[in-house]
Amino acid sequence: DVKVTQSSRYLVKRTGEKVFLECVQDMDHENMFWYRQDPGLGLRLIYFSYDVKMKEKGDIPEGYSVSREKKERFSLILESASTNQTSMYLCASGLQGYEQYFGPGTRLTVT
Amino acid sequence: LAKTTQPISMDSYEGQEVNITCSHNNIATNDYITWYQQFPSQGPRFIIQGYKTKVTNEVASLFIPADRKSSTLSLPRVSLSDTAVYYCLVGDHGNQGGKLIFGQGTELSVKP
Repeated sequence: DVKVTQSSRYLVKRTGEKVFLECVQDMDHENMFWYRQDPGLGLRLIYFSYDVKMKEKGDIPEGYSVSREKKERFSLILESASTNQTSMYLCASGLQGYEQYFGPGTRLTVT
Repeated sequence: LAKTTQPISMDSYEGQEVNITCSHNNIATNDYITWYQQFPSQGPRFIIQGYKTKVTNEVASLFIPADRKSSTLSLPRVSLSDTAVYYCLVGDHGNQGGKLIFGQGTELSVKP
């Protein structure tokens, strides 16, 4: 079974802090994705990567950056956390675009 | 990427067949139709994907008419554990990067 793990299920940070969300997949997938999910807005794509050191902006990249130094690991970075970044963050990986495997999510609260 | 429209919510009872229809009038020639399922506090899970006609797997069936402007996800004999949000996605998923656009989804509630 494909396994996508995320570093934390719940995280509480203060405004202005730098936040790292880590995602690791164990299936040698080229493609990895970061989404955020908010009530009434559904899932929105923040960034994705189709190869090591490659990254592409999704629909809402502002306030975020990513890092992919190794194939299995894709990190989402909030350079200076703000309250409007309180959300559920979901990481996914996949070989082909349509079949993505999601992690359990990290519920981030910024106070 | 084609926009999709699906009902916000549906109710059903255990043992019934549930059909969730998604409209995607602007679907492009290279687009595929994909459905995901999401339980509370979990990430979405891929259910089924198709291009045209009918696709069936152990979980669901997907019906796509000839004009491909809509599609119907069919769940046979649902149980309480099928209560979830179901997302219809349309896009050229074979592209490098495979951007998926999730809409609002359909919240299915299965009652005993």
